Amino acid sequence: KQEVTQIPAALSVPEGENLVLNCSFTDSAIYNLQWFRQDPGKGLTSLLLIQSSQREQTSGRLNASLDKSSGRSTLYIAASQPGDSATYLCAVYGQNFVFGPGTRLSVLP
Amino acid sequence: NAGVMQNPRHLVRRRGQEARLRCSPMKGHSHVYWYRQLPEEGLKFMVYLQKENIIDESGMPKERFSAEFPKEGPSILRIQQVVRGDSAAYFCASSHSGTGTVQETQYFGPGTRLLVL
Repeated sequence: KQEVTQIPAALSVPEGENLVLNCSFTDSAIYNLQWFRQDPGKGLTSLLLIQSSQREQTSGRLNASLDKSSGRSTLYIAASQPGDSATYLCAVYGQNFVFGPGTRLSVLP
Repeated sequence: NAGVMQNPRHLVRRRGQEARLRCSPMKGHSHVYWYRQLPEEGLKFMVYLQKENIIDESGMPKERFSAEFPKEGPSILRIQQVVRGDSAAYFCASSHSGTGTVQETQYFGPGTRLLVL
């Protein structure tokens, strides 16, 4: 059974800092891994999708890496802004979508 | 304890026909979300519904797409006059309470794969 964990559970940083969110999964038989953002009152927003054959993806200030063999992914956020405050979810897609519990990020102005 | 159920799992339609996708949330869940995954793309939010109410439809195409979650029965995503670009996997998720509680977990169904010929 696939299990996904995320560290840290919560993070508070001053504006402008670079930060790293971590995701681990137990079963490497996945099609892809996605990072999502969740804001109150909204559905999930997909940030980055990494196919199982890829090692990283970049979008703007976001960079996600995937090491399938070790069951790890990281989301790097450069020059954080208060608008980045949200919960960040990692999800792997194998038989089904399995989500991690999320990292709650607060970026202080 | 059945999870989120979606049917059909696969649906083939010709251009111009209607597609109806059904989602039965987990028992006790009154919040439903629909997502679309186009080939080689990430999951994209479409609509968020509670029983008999649309809460957020900011991700829904303006035409041909509609969603409902009646008091009784499953949630329905309806696509009228389908075109080839509608071919995708459509996922439904449900949660016990809404996304006002940021940590609320969404449980996903297996998806319906729509193919438009």
